[in-house]
This record gives sequence, structure tokens and C-alpha cells, in this order.
Amino acid sequence: SQQGEEDPQALSIQEGENATMNCSYKTSINNLQWYRQNSGRGLVHLILIRSNEREKHSGRLRVTLDTSKKSSSLLITASRAADTASYFCATDARRGSTLGRLYFGRGTQLTVWP
Amino acid sequence: DVKVTQSSRYLVKRTGEKVFLECVQDMDHENMFWYRQDPGLGLRLIYFSYDVKMKEKGDIPEGYSVSREKKERFSLILESASTNQTSMYLCASSSKIWGQGLGEAFFGQGTRLTVV
Repeated sequence: SQQGEEDPQALSIQEGENATMNCSYKTSINNLQWYRQNSGRGLVHLILIRSNEREKHSGRLRVTLDTSKKSSSLLITASRAADTASYFCATDARRGSTLGRLYFGRGTQLTVWP
Repeated sequence: DVKVTQSSRYLVKRTGEKVFLECVQDMDHENMFWYRQDPGLGLRLIYFSYDVKMKEKGDIPEGYSVSREKKERFSLILESASTNQTSMYLCASSSKIWGQGLGEAFFGQGTRLTVV
């Protein structure tokens, strides 16, 4: 069973607007990671947030983590057409049958219009 | 420049064939993963390995096997290819950070396999 589930499935915005994607997961985690995938390519790592962190920034990216709600959000500020891609969250379970696995959700397809 | 390399970008095989997908990483990572990606289903974990000769089943191991004889190489084997195994296959590797779980994963470019 998959750990992370992203919401919304698809998001369409204009250049310059902010894009927010959410991720929910099921079990205790060591960390949560966000990835980007351009069409038909491999995934590229964006940012990793540990279970004891609440917020992290990297350039135009801001990630929050709420372990009590088992959820995370990815905010892309001042979006550009080049940000058009699929975004995935991935979780690294802390214990149990999913230990050692890196689980991905179904992703959010972001389209940024010029 | 760190790299995960998959042996083929595109592959067409016939039903019943034995198919080998190779993945090599040059980062000395302990952990390696095989996923398949299908529209609307995201990435589903097939198998992963946390050390040489060690392997663990993911969510959808049926019809697949894996081999990790050397640390840098993780092979996915389709024992008898079927049309429902037509998919994008993605290999990844990651380090393990002591007490903090898995590090960031690096992905190969993917192999688009078509079984006819």
C-alpha cells in the first residue's frame, strides 16, 4: 500500500501565481521528500524534510510538515512556465512492515500558463 | 556528476520472453529500488535492496524478480513477460543516513517497456 497521497491531482495556474500541493501519509516517518518529474523522464529530488522539522526552504520552494496530521505541503512561489511538471511526495517509514521502503504517491500535475 | 544509469531507454519484447532491465549507480549507495509507473497510479514499488545480495518485496512483486550481486548494480527480471507489464520502469538509489533514514533518491532516466 502506498504511503503518500498528493492533492490535488491536477493544478493549473498562471505564471507569477503561487502553487500549493499537499501530501498525506499513513505511518510514522523518518523523513518526507518531494520530487519533480518532467514528462517521460526520471524523477529529480527537490527537498527533504526530517520528521523533527516543521518547515524548510529552498529557493522558491517552501515545504511544511505536520506529523500530528501526517501531512505535508509544497509551495512554489512566483511560478514559471518551466515549473510545469508532475510533483511527488515520498515517505521513508520509521518502522513496521514498510521499513526501508521509499513510497511515492500518485503525484500532482502542475501546469503553469505563460 | 552523480548518476544512475538504466541500460535501455526503450524496449520492445514479445509475450513470454525473459526480460532483463539493468541499473547501475556510481554513488556507492546501499539502497536501490525498482518502480513501475503507470498513468493515474503513480510510482509503485516492485522490489528494493538494502545491501548486496539482499532483496525485499515491494507492493507488486508478482511476475518479477531481482538480482543484486554487486553493490552498484540492481537488475530487474521479468520471468515471462506479459502485456500487462507494459510500463515505464524506474530505478533509483539512495544512501542511508544513520538514525535518520533514507537520503535523497537519485533516479535513472527510465525504461519504457512495451510487451507485444
